[in-house]
Amino acid sequence: EVQVAESGGGLVQPGGSLRLSCAASGFTVSSNYMSWVRQAPGKGLEWVSVLYSYGNTYYADSVKGRFTISRDNSKNTLYLQMNSLRTEDTGVYYCARVGILLGDPNGMDVWGQGTTVTVSS
Amino acid sequence: DIQMTQSPSSLSASVGDRVTITCRASQDIRNALGWYQQKPGKAPQRLIHAASRLQTGVPSRFSGSGSGTEFTLTISSLQPEDFATYYCLQHNSYPWTFGQGTKVEIK
Repeated sequence: EVQVAESGGGLVQPGGSLRLSCAASGFTVSSNYMSWVRQAPGKGLEWVSVLYSYGNTYYADSVKGRFTISRDNSKNTLYLQMNSLRTEDTGVYYCARVGILLGDPNGMDVWGQGTTVTVSS
Repeated sequence: DIQMTQSPSSLSASVGDRVTITCRASQDIRNALGWYQQKPGKAPQRLIHAASRLQTGVPSRFSGSGSGTEFTLTISSLQPEDFATYYCLQHNSYPWTFGQGTKVEIK
């Protein structure tokens, strides 16, 4: 079965760091585009970042320069390194596989259950 | 950045009703749009991709249409399990952007 599972969330103080992990099964992370999406408490969905199979990365302006998306092919795992965390980064972080249609990204087709990040003093 | 304006923000409907949700993009996004359903405390699930293609396993009462800047999600006959929040997502250009969501509630 194709699935992803996030881990690594928790409570961190403003200015701190956290690394989220996303373990995939049923498919190969390195052969797919992968993305992170977050949701602040009681709010809508916000796209955060994407990593292409050939290494290109893109970020939302709100996290650019602070967050880094990466992967470990040997562990079939995606990561999100989050530095200089702010209270507004609080929320549930979802990992998702990005589908491909006719060679272009086609949105997120497989989602994890999410991991909760709380940035608070 | 491309802005996605979703309407309505909420609606009340009865089981069996036909429901329509609209997303308008601030610029042409071709057919690079998906629709997602989210239930409380759960991860989103994709219903429609490429504006009008039904995701495998999704009931046929869901349909999508549109291209360019105007898109529609239609539920032909609302079922009890369809009460949820729905989001559109444009992935034509970065940053990808979601609509603000439509909460479908029971009348």
